[in-house]
Amino acid sequence: DVKVTQSSRYLVKRTGEKVFLECVQDMDHENMFWYRQDPGLGLRLIYFSYDVKMKEKGDIPEGYSVSREKKERFSLILESASTNQTSMYLCASSEGSDQPQHFGDGTRLSIL
Amino acid sequence: AQSVAQPEDQVNVAEGNPLTVKCTYSVSGNPYLFWYVQYPNRGLQFLLKYITGDNLVKGSYGFEAEFNKSQTSFHLKKPSALVSDSALYFCAVRPHGSGNTGKLIFGQGTTLQVKP
Repeated sequence: DVKVTQSSRYLVKRTGEKVFLECVQDMDHENMFWYRQDPGLGLRLIYFSYDVKMKEKGDIPEGYSVSREKKERFSLILESASTNQTSMYLCASSEGSDQPQHFGDGTRLSIL
Repeated sequence: AQSVAQPEDQVNVAEGNPLTVKCTYSVSGNPYLFWYVQYPNRGLQFLLKYITGDNLVKGSYGFEAEFNKSQTSFHLKKPSALVSDSALYFCAVRPHGSGNTGKLIFGQGTTLQVKP
């Protein structure tokens, strides 16, 4: 079974801090994704990566950056956290366009 | 613009009754369509997909979905609902031009409430 592991289930940070969210997958998938989930808005894509060191902006990249130095790991970085970045963050990976994405259990991030 | 719509925020059914969760899409070309379920404090779990072939697709936990090209719909169904089916359901579609990146557009989600 595919396993996508997000490093923290809950995280509390302060405004202005630099925040790192880590995601690791164990199935050698090429594609990895970061979403944020807010009530009534569904999942919104922040960034995705289709290969090591490759990244593309999603629908809401402002205030975020990503890093993919190794195939199994995809990190989301909040450069200077703000209260409007309080949300549930979900990481996913997939093998290709006709295969489902596999999700981690999410990180619930609160910015105070 | 390419999009997915789930017109109902919430669907309520009685246990044992059939359930339908609606999804319509707007993409160019042939759609790749997916359904996911999310239980509280968990990530999304894959239920089923339509890529090509038979319009009726069967998936996990007794769920199925019917692809209707003329109505651009992919409604999720189950003949007999269980209380344990209560969860948040997402429909998703691969956008045209995304190549093999696996990128998906998600609907806003529908909460299914099954009452005993």
